[in-house]
Amino acid sequence: GEDVEQSLFLSVREGDSSVINCTYTDSSSTYLYWYKQEPGAGLQLLTYIFSNMDMKQDQRLTVLLNKKDKHLSLRIADTQTGDSAIYFCAERNDYKLSFGAGTTVTVRA
Amino acid sequence: GAVVSQHPSWVICKSGTSVKIECRSLDFQATTMFWYRQFPKQSLMLMATSNEGSKATYEQGVEKDKFLINHASLTLSTLTVTSAHPEDSSFYICSARRQGLSYNSPLHFGNGTRLTVT
Repeated sequence: GEDVEQSLFLSVREGDSSVINCTYTDSSSTYLYWYKQEPGAGLQLLTYIFSNMDMKQDQRLTVLLNKKDKHLSLRIADTQTGDSAIYFCAERNDYKLSFGAGTTVTVRA
Repeated sequence: GAVVSQHPSWVICKSGTSVKIECRSLDFQATTMFWYRQFPKQSLMLMATSNEGSKATYEQGVEKDKFLINHASLTLSTLTVTSAHPEDSSFYICSARRQGLSYNSPLHFGNGTRLTVT
């Protein structure tokens, strides 16, 4: 998705926090999503945020939305080896989702 | 809840043959299902939107005669790759929206189907 950009790789030590960043272009996006994809599998919805919110927290996950800068981030606290995966952010454009290219998160011991 | 099942999870076929991929919503009814294609190390590209009981809406550049989509019931959509060629080899993922929810509601994804055309 050319409309949604993410950094491609992130390496983090187990126990540290991970922060994955995403920028999008459509200011009319109403919902923004984070999905997780493990090797050879489909996408698992992690969390989503409505555009009138600045922050949403769900257990170890914190989503921050800066609507002015069209910047979305996902923070994973106390990162575990099971968090190693590809993380996609997506924005709602009318009837469809536009995905970023995905950030591959590698958790090292 | 909200489980989406795809079958098969992987398939190898010979060039020129057709392959059918099924997408089922197991514990909910889905009026709308979406088919995506994912190339290695790339994002998901929407191929088409499938609405129960009507013709699918294809994204620009997707050949509707090559990628046949049928959404005959509220729990099943199928994607048939006709006359497959090696360049059709890819990871195909479906997603579904629960009936009655708004178009902004989160989509639930299947586990994908790895197609390899030899």
